[in-house]
Amino acid sequence: EVQLLESGGALGQPGGSLRLSCTASGFTLSAYAMNWVRQAPGKGLEWVSVINDDGGVAYGGSVKGRFTVSRDISKNTLFLQMNSLRDEDTAVYYCAREGVPGTIDYWGQGNLVTVSS
Amino acid sequence: DIVMTQTPLSSPVTLGQPASISCRSSQSLVHRDGNTYLSWLQQRPGQPLRLLVYKISNRFSGVPDRFSGSGAGTDFTLRISRVEAEDVGVYYCMQASQFPYTFGQGTKLEIK
Repeated sequence: EVQLLESGGALGQPGGSLRLSCTASGFTLSAYAMNWVRQAPGKGLEWVSVINDDGGVAYGGSVKGRFTVSRDISKNTLFLQMNSLRDEDTAVYYCAREGVPGTIDYWGQGNLVTVSS
Repeated sequence: DIVMTQTPLSSPVTLGQPASISCRSSQSLVHRDGNTYLSWLQQRPGQPLRLLVYKISNRFSGVPDRFSGSGAGTDFTLRISRVEAEDVGVYYCMQASQFPYTFGQGTKLEIK
């Protein structure tokens, strides 16, 4: 069974850093493109980043230059390093698997990140 | 960025009746590989997001056949043939034909 479990969120300060983790089970994470998507309170979904199976990465405009996506193959875990945090980064962050190119098929439960002084 | 516009934003439906959600993209979603990467997602309270339909009209594993997708180019529709109580939630269209991937605003399906 495919499962994705996010951790590491909680509270961060403006200008500070947080790192999110997403541990996969039921499949080999490095064999798929893996995405981060976020949802601000009461708002819709915003795509954040992707790391492809070949290690290539891409970012949404609002986080480019501040966030870095990576993975640890040995731990079957995806990461999102978030630097220079802003109030508007407050959101539930989801990791999601791209089962085949262009189709995100499984999502984690989400992890709330709150940026506040 | 491709803008995805859903209508309606709220849809009160009677149990057992059909429901329909439209999604329009600001540009064609036909990818250079010939596929159209338009998906429909369901978000129920306390549940992970769930893929319902991918590449316009393909139902994902385990999705009931009362859900169907259609459309082409820039106009797409999700239909529920007979709404059940468990269908209450928010539905999103999503395009993955071009980076950044983008989503519709969401349509809240509720029971009358």
